[in-house]
Amino acid sequence: GQQLNQSPQSMFIQEGEDVSMNCTSSSIFNTWLWYKQDPGEGPVLLIALYKAGELTSNGRLTAQFGITRKDSFLNISASIPSDVGIYFCAGQGLKVNDMRFGAGTRLTVKP
Amino acid sequence: GAGVSQSPRYKVAKRGQDVALRCDPISGHVSLFWYQQALGQGPEFLTYFQNEAQLDKSGLPSDRFFAERPEGSVSTLKIQRTQQEDSAVYLCASSFPGGQVYEQYFGPGTRLTVT
Repeated sequence: GQQLNQSPQSMFIQEGEDVSMNCTSSSIFNTWLWYKQDPGEGPVLLIALYKAGELTSNGRLTAQFGITRKDSFLNISASIPSDVGIYFCAGQGLKVNDMRFGAGTRLTVKP
Repeated sequence: GAGVSQSPRYKVAKRGQDVALRCDPISGHVSLFWYQQALGQGPEFLTYFQNEAQLDKSGLPSDRFFAERPEGSVSTLKIQRTQQEDSAVYLCASSFPGGQVYEQYFGPGTRLTVT
């Protein structure tokens, strides 16, 4: 089963609003990643974080790797309709095949 | 360049049938992963290849599941005697490990429905 706790499960926001979602774990991870999945498609990598405390931006997206290495958050500023989708956090351990996903945050943006 | 491709995109199987799902990774990507994604959940790891070697198959739910990558490029996930609980999206991902970068690139998935 899922080993990461991702919240909120869903969000309904107005276009232009900022969004924040987060992910926590009982385990330490070496890398945190955030993916977006559109219906009928595979997850697409948005941001990858490699060091505890790291804050990284990609356009309107900002993500941080928690100091404890057990959490991460993703912020989306000034949301637009194409931000609609499901956002997944993923934590990667020491091994390349040790990646665990959260259950996702479903984002709906009302124009 | 071309991304990860998977075929078929949709598969309906009757309970008890065998199915084969194909993954074409990004050219040059050494690592290949299979995940199972149940409805409303995140992907869950099934198995991992580095080139043609299957290094981890700990996530395969039963011995009805079998994966291969004989030439280190295309991979096939086979499910024998399908059951209804096998219904899910099967995602393939590939990556090219370099240093600490293990970013996985996903294909669109195969949605399997077992009736």
